[in-house]
Amino acid sequence: EAQVTQNPRYLITVTGKKLTVTCSQNMNHEYMSWYRQDPGLGLRQIYYSMNVEVTDKGDVPEGYKVSRKEKRNFPLILESPSPNQTSLYFCASSLGQKTYEQYFGPGTRLTVT
Amino acid sequence: GENVEQHPSTLSVQEGDSAVIKCTYSDSASNYFPWYKQELGKGPQLIIDIRSNVGEKKDQRIAVTLNKTAKHFSLHITETQPEDSAVYFCAASSPSSNTGKLIFGQGTTLQVKP
Repeated sequence: EAQVTQNPRYLITVTGKKLTVTCSQNMNHEYMSWYRQDPGLGLRQIYYSMNVEVTDKGDVPEGYKVSRKEKRNFPLILESPSPNQTSLYFCASSLGQKTYEQYFGPGTRLTVT
Repeated sequence: GENVEQHPSTLSVQEGDSAVIKCTYSDSASNYFPWYKQELGKGPQLIIDIRSNVGEKKDQRIAVTLNKTAKHFSLHITETQPEDSAVYFCAASSPSSNTGKLIFGQGTTLQVKP
């Protein structure tokens, strides 16, 4: 089944404790992206990747890092989480940069205390 | 900067009635307009999309219309059913940014009352 998976689905952590949210897609998509969803703000792009080893900042990149060592995986790293990073996070992928049709993972609800 | 405005933020309809959600966008170069449905505890799922070379697209009970001149597009759901209850997001492509990203609206929570 074609899908985007994320782990973990739920995470409660404390300020400053490094964490990684994994994302994997099995559709051989080139383009992958991370979004955060906050009430009243819709989905805002954090980082994106056009292909392996090609990543760039989205609209709200502060406090986040990503890597793209393999085509299928695109982990989101919070080196020193803060309470303002409490949010619902989604990974998405699409065939290519110009394709736009994006497929979303199930989401990761992160709480930072 | 690029922006997509979505209205209303909440919408309550009676089962069988129609629901309309409207979005406006700012980037005149936008050429792809998807609509996503997000059910509780799940990720957004693409339900219909339209490209700038057409004015309307229909898929069973849902339809999307696009007015490029006015830079707005709308989602129409007819004969609503309780399972249509969800959060709906519109989005517009952002070719000007050359990043492949979508700009999302703020979301509309649709409640269909049985």
